[in-house]
Amino acid sequence: SQKIEQNSEALNIQEGKTATLTCNYTNYSPAYLQWYRQDPGRGPVFLLLIRENEKEKRKERLKVTFDTTLKQSLFHITASQPADSATYLCALEKTSYDKVIFGPGTSLSVIP
Amino acid sequence: DAGVIQSPRHEVTEMGQEVTLRCKPISGHDYLFWYRQTMMRGLELLIYFNNNVPIDDSGMPEDRFSAKMPNASFSTLKIQPSEPRDSAVYFCASSLGRFSGNTIYFGEGSWLTVV
Repeated sequence: SQKIEQNSEALNIQEGKTATLTCNYTNYSPAYLQWYRQDPGRGPVFLLLIRENEKEKRKERLKVTFDTTLKQSLFHITASQPADSATYLCALEKTSYDKVIFGPGTSLSVIP
Repeated sequence: DAGVIQSPRHEVTEMGQEVTLRCKPISGHDYLFWYRQTMMRGLELLIYFNNNVPIDDSGMPEDRFSAKMPNASFSTLKIQPSEPRDSAVYFCASSLGRFSGNTIYFGEGSWLTVV
């Protein structure tokens, strides 16, 4: 069956450490993968997009990798801060020019 | 731009009542989406429009749900009659251009509780 999986458990890390979140998918062939941040009571907010021909993308303290062979994307936050605490969602097109679907999200807590 | 605007932000209604959720997309965006988010099922796409025309409503759970987009700046999602299992957060979102990596901008959501 087709599905997207993210870290099933909430992730708790110490301030200053690197947080790594995982997004795995099966039976899709996305041309793009996106990461969003969602704070409690708010709508998701776009963070980063990575294309299938890109291995890595960076934006300030954020880094995303995309391995189409493993069908996996990793999302890293370096030098994490308590303000990074939120739920992070990965999203992808099932195939090129198809609708975007979202993973279940991973809750991240950065402990001071 | 003010972003995607949704109303009401919170709604509590009794089972069997009609619920209407409203959305104003970002000006100039030609795609509009309705998503539903629950703890059990996550963020699900219900329906999306392109240039006010419904393109895919395969995510609409049943005939009790309907959506319209009478013009480029307004859309509604209606539930009639509502049931307790419809309790969720409903997000409206919009984007510029086709998929292929275009950013989806979400509203703040309408929190629906059906008692």
